[in-house]
Amino acid sequence: NAGVMQNPRHLVRRRGQEARLRCSPMKGHSHVYWYRQLPEEGLKFMVYLQKENIIDESGMPKERFSAEFPKEGPSILRIQQVVRGDSAAYFCASSPPGTQYFGPGTRLTVL
Amino acid sequence: AQTVTQSQPEMSVQEAETVTLSCTYDTSENNYYLFWYKQPPSRQMILVIRQEAYKQQNATENRFSVNFQKAAKSFSLKISDSQLGDTAMYFCAFMKHGSGGSNYKLTFGKGTLLTVNP
Repeated sequence: NAGVMQNPRHLVRRRGQEARLRCSPMKGHSHVYWYRQLPEEGLKFMVYLQKENIIDESGMPKERFSAEFPKEGPSILRIQQVVRGDSAAYFCASSPPGTQYFGPGTRLTVL
Repeated sequence: AQTVTQSQPEMSVQEAETVTLSCTYDTSENNYYLFWYKQPPSRQMILVIRQEAYKQQNATENRFSVNFQKAAKSFSLKISDSQLGDTAMYFCAFMKHGSGGSNYKLTFGKGTLLTVNP
């Protein structure tokens, strides 16, 4: 029974490029959450999606960030025109009711 | 809005001893879940233990147990017989209880770095 999968594990981008982070939830789960962890900090909620729907995007920056969870395929967190401040670990969590299981994270480094 | 506070940025314990990590939270909700997650140097977020607020009995998972005081809004984690592999950052987290199976986001504390010394 595979856990939550994220890829890539490490991503390096230059300022101004686009970053695409992928998350496949655990089998049978249709709820996905994205969190960001800045250096030396806890995780901060970004967005909550169900298949084909964004349920809560209250933690998502208004510009350059978007997320989707299509009917088929993984959830995608997309960051356009990355800046150095976007360097962080991005975690995806998969959720049955009442708990959340995390993927290994994607560490984004912006040069 | 919910807040979660972990007042101990760092703690250390000798191998085989017991340590308690503190967590307090603030919420106006009556039904919710509380969690402790562990983040070892690999950076993976691992669920350690989960408590449902409507249950009075404290949750236990092997060497890990909690002391849940709902009135005081306190949720501490006790690790017994500490092992070197317990060295990690520990995060306390809150999640509102959804009706009809709905889900909500996790709100995390800033974490406590626990070092287990040989």
